[in-house]
Formats: sequence, structure tokens, C-alpha cells
Amino acid sequence: QKEVEQNSGPLSVPEGAIASLNCTYSDRGSQSFFWYRQYSGKSPELIMFIYSNGDKEDGRFTAQLNKASQYVSLLIRDSQPSDSATYLCAVTEDNFNKFYFGSGTKLNVKP
Amino acid sequence: DAGVIQSPRHEVTEMGQEVTLRCKPISGHDYLFWYRQTMMRGLELLIYFNNNVPIDDSGMPEDRFSAKMPNASFSTLKIQPSEPRDSAVYFCASRRTGQETQYFGPGTRLLVL
Repeated sequence: QKEVEQNSGPLSVPEGAIASLNCTYSDRGSQSFFWYRQYSGKSPELIMFIYSNGDKEDGRFTAQLNKASQYVSLLIRDSQPSDSATYLCAVTEDNFNKFYFGSGTKLNVKP
Repeated sequence: DAGVIQSPRHEVTEMGQEVTLRCKPISGHDYLFWYRQTMMRGLELLIYFNNNVPIDDSGMPEDRFSAKMPNASFSTLKIQPSEPRDSAVYFCASRRTGQETQYFGPGTRLLVL
């Protein structure tokens, strides 16, 4: 059974701060790592993905991957109240089809 | 371009009834996925299709669940008979070969009484 673990939160940060969201996975064969954002009552939407060890930046978002530690994280700089949502970590070992999702971390950004 | 379309958006039914959920993928996408989301189990992949052919149905919980994709623009997920534990949000998603992103539909919120 492939496990993807996330702290359910809620994680509360003040507006303008850096939010750090973490995810660990059990399957060393995992190849690709995705972060989705899900607003309450809405569908998941992709924020970004990462394949290689290290950092990948996209605007205010940075994904960090450490395959040796089986750890992936998402940093959100200059957090805004509109970032308040549940963030889902997903891993896949194949070509972007069979995703295993974590249970999500709820983020609250306080004005 | 229209996104993934799902219907109905909400469904309330009684235990034992048949439920059919529908999905229209984004035009040109050759992969289609059915997911279920609950508080207890999170977001789980049930089945996915490629070019209308089921590739992996290992996530389908039991024989009460079935999925079909008769053509490139339509898929159904059927539950017969439905049970209260089937209450969940069911999402359909689609993807195009060569792209990493799965695009999710708005979901169908199912309540089985």
C-alpha cells in the first residue's frame, strides 16, 4: 500500500508570511510529485509538480523534493488570504496516471 | 475551452437504488479518470481509461461499481445497488497524452440515505 502522509492542520499563518506544507511518501519508486489546491466545495486544481531533487519555483510557490528522505514540501511566499485552502500532495510512479493523494493540509492565512 | 463536465452536481438517493454519474472530458484528452473523495479516505482513484479502454480498475471498491466509456466524449460511473457508505464526492478528471496535468471536473456530491 502506497502511503502519502500530510499533517491535516489547520496550519495558520499571518498574511505576508511564508507557509510551509510538508508531505512524506512510502514508495521509493515514486517518480513524480504534485501539489494540488482545493477550495472548500470545489475540485482540486494543480499548483505545480516536481520530478528532480532540489527546488522548483513558480511565482510565489516553491516545491522542494528530497527523494533520499522521501519528502516533498511546498512553500508559499507572501501568503494571501486567498491562499486559504486545503493542499493535497500526490505522488505517482508511472506516467501521470495512477496518483496517490495525501489527505491534505488545511491552510488558513489570517489578514 | 470548456472544462470537464459532470452531471448531476448533486444526487440524493435511497439505499438500494441505482445511481449513474456522468462525465464529459475536455475535448482532445485521451485519458479519463474517476475519483472518489471522502473525509475518511481522502481522494482515491477508482478507475482510468485511455482511448476509451479501461486500463486500471483496481480502485473500484466492489462489484456494485461499474464504469464505461462508450466514446471519447462520454463516460459513466454506475453504482447498483447503492449503499450509505457510497456517499462521497465523485470527481472525473481528464488528461492529454504528453501533458502531466489532470484536470478535474466540478464533482458530483452523492448522498445515499
